[in-house]
This record gives sequence, structure tokens and C-alpha cells, in this order.
Amino acid sequence: AQSVTQLDSQVPVFEEAPVELRCNYSSSVSVYLFWYVQYPNQGLQLLLKYLSGSTLVKGINGFEAEFNKSQTSFHLRKPSVHISDTAEYFCAALRAGGTSYGKLTFGQGTILTVHP
Amino acid sequence: DTGVSQDPRHKITKRGQNVTFRCDPISEHNRLYWYRQTLGQGPEFLTYFQNEAQLEKSRLLSDRFSAERPKGSFSTLEIQRTEQGDSAMYLCASSLTGVDEQYFGPGTRLTVT
Repeated sequence: AQSVTQLDSQVPVFEEAPVELRCNYSSSVSVYLFWYVQYPNQGLQLLLKYLSGSTLVKGINGFEAEFNKSQTSFHLRKPSVHISDTAEYFCAALRAGGTSYGKLTFGQGTILTVHP
Repeated sequence: DTGVSQDPRHKITKRGQNVTFRCDPISEHNRLYWYRQTLGQGPEFLTYFQNEAQLEKSRLLSDRFSAERPKGSFSTLEIQRTEQGDSAMYLCASSLTGVDEQYFGPGTRLTVT
């Protein structure tokens, strides 16, 4: 079985400050990792994904994440946030093969609130 | 492409009633997934289809739940004899293959009174 843990349920930050949203995963097999964002009353939108290759992945809206296999982490970062980044962010893992191929396992979510 | 659509967006029903939700995936996508999201939690996998074949069903899904994808295009999720614990947002997603990005619909919010 695999699991995803988002270490902070809420992260308040001021506009133009940097932010890091933390995600750890646990799996007995290789996984692909994703970050999704959910704005109020909207569906989930993919921010970025790690499948293989470079451990630093860049996504939309200036976000990036770093895959760290030894620490089983996939933290999301942005150097300078905007009010419009206020949303809920979900980290998710996908087994890279075997059974349950294609099934995403999500973390509990982190609500990012950007204050002016 | 217009993306993944779900209908209805909101459904209020009384306990014991049956409800059915529809999901229209992106047209060329072979994979279709159903997830459930309750307040304060991340989405939880319910089931998925490869074309018209239902390949996996979560243990979270009781016998009151059934899903179909009759022609490999749209899918329906039916809940029979609804219970208050079924109140949640039901999300549909589609993808080209098992490893591709899953595109999510806006969800159907179910409230059981």
C-alpha cells in the first residue's frame, strides 16, 4: 500500500513571501508524484508532476517541487506568492506499475492563504 | 476540448433515495476514474475504467454503489439507498493512459438529508 502525508493542514503567508508546502510519501514500489491545486468551487488542476529524470520539476504559475528519494519527500515551493495563489493544494502519488496502476493516492490537502 | 464535465453539480436527496451522477470525459481518453472527497480530506479513489471495462473497485465502495461506462465514453455512478455518510463531493477524472495526467471535472456535491 502507499500513503501520502501533507505535513501542514494550513499555511498562512504574506504576499510576495516565499512558501513551501511539505509532502512525504510511503510506498513499497516506485511512484510518480503530482501536485494539484483546487480553487474554490473548481475542479483539481495539475500544477506539476515528477515521473523520472531531473529531481527538480517546474510547473505552472511559478511553482516548483523537488523529489527527494532518500527522504521520500516531494515539497512544493514558490519564491514569491500572490493573492491569487490562495487555494487548497494536494500532493498525490501514483504507483509506477503492478496492481492499482493509475490510481492516485492523495494527501489530506494544505490550505494556502496569502494575506496582503 | 471542453474538458471533463459532470452532471449535476449539486444534488440534495433524502436518506434512502437513489441517485445517479454522470461524467463525460475528454473524448479521446481511455481511462476514467471516480473519486470521493469529504470536507477537509483529499480525494479517495473509488473505481476506474479502461474503456468500458471496470478494472478496480475500492473497498470503500459498498454494494450500494455501482458504476458503468457502457460504451467506453460517458460513465454513471449510482448510489442506492443513500445514507448521510454518503454526503461528499464526487469527482470524475480521465486520462489517456494509466500514467498520464488525470484531468478532473468540477465534481458533483451530494447532500443527503
